[in-house]
Amino acid sequence: AQSVTQLDSQVPVFEEAPVELRCNYSSSVSVYLFWYVQYPNQGLQLLLKYLSGSTLVKGINGFEAEFNKSQTSFHLRKPSVHISDTAEYFCAVSHNTDKLIFGTGTRLQVFP
Amino acid sequence: EAGVAQSPRYKIIEKRQSVAFWCNPISGHATLYWYQQILGQGPKLLIQFQNNGVVDDSQLPKDRFSAERLKGVDSTLKIQPAKLEDSAVYLCASSLAPQLNSPLHFGNGTRLTVT
Repeated sequence: AQSVTQLDSQVPVFEEAPVELRCNYSSSVSVYLFWYVQYPNQGLQLLLKYLSGSTLVKGINGFEAEFNKSQTSFHLRKPSVHISDTAEYFCAVSHNTDKLIFGTGTRLQVFP
Repeated sequence: EAGVAQSPRYKIIEKRQSVAFWCNPISGHATLYWYQQILGQGPKLLIQFQNNGVVDDSQLPKDRFSAERLKGVDSTLKIQPAKLEDSAVYLCASSLAPQLNSPLHFGNGTRLTVT
């Protein structure tokens, strides 16, 4: 069975600092990985996804993530965050279907 | 393009009452999903439609939850009777096709509070 673990429920960071949101997955077969962002009182929006190819994936709003098969991780990074990046971030995994299994989310709080 | 529309935005009901949520997906999107997002958890898929047929409802509590997509466009999710543990945000999403290259577009959700 697939599962996703987001170890950090909250990540506080100052504006213009770098940030990394951690995501680990478990699966016995090939997986596809996603990061979604949810701004307050809004639905989820796709940030980036890894389906195949280069393990470094670039997404919207300056975010990127790296697929590491040996460590079963797909951490999300941004070199310099803005106040507007304050939101909930969800990692999700899928196995060869469109059915997504989401992690519990990480709340990124950016302070001025 | 217009996004996924959901209504109502908020709903407060007492336990054992019934409630219905409505979703209008993006025009032309054949696949529609209902997710339940309990506070502090990630979204959990309840049901997936392909046009007006059910593809996956394995996690739908069928004794109290029902959903339909009669004409392959709009969809309604119903809970009858509601329990306290049904308090959550109910998200509707749609995509062009049930494939990983076809991204999901989410609505803003309906926040249900059961008292």
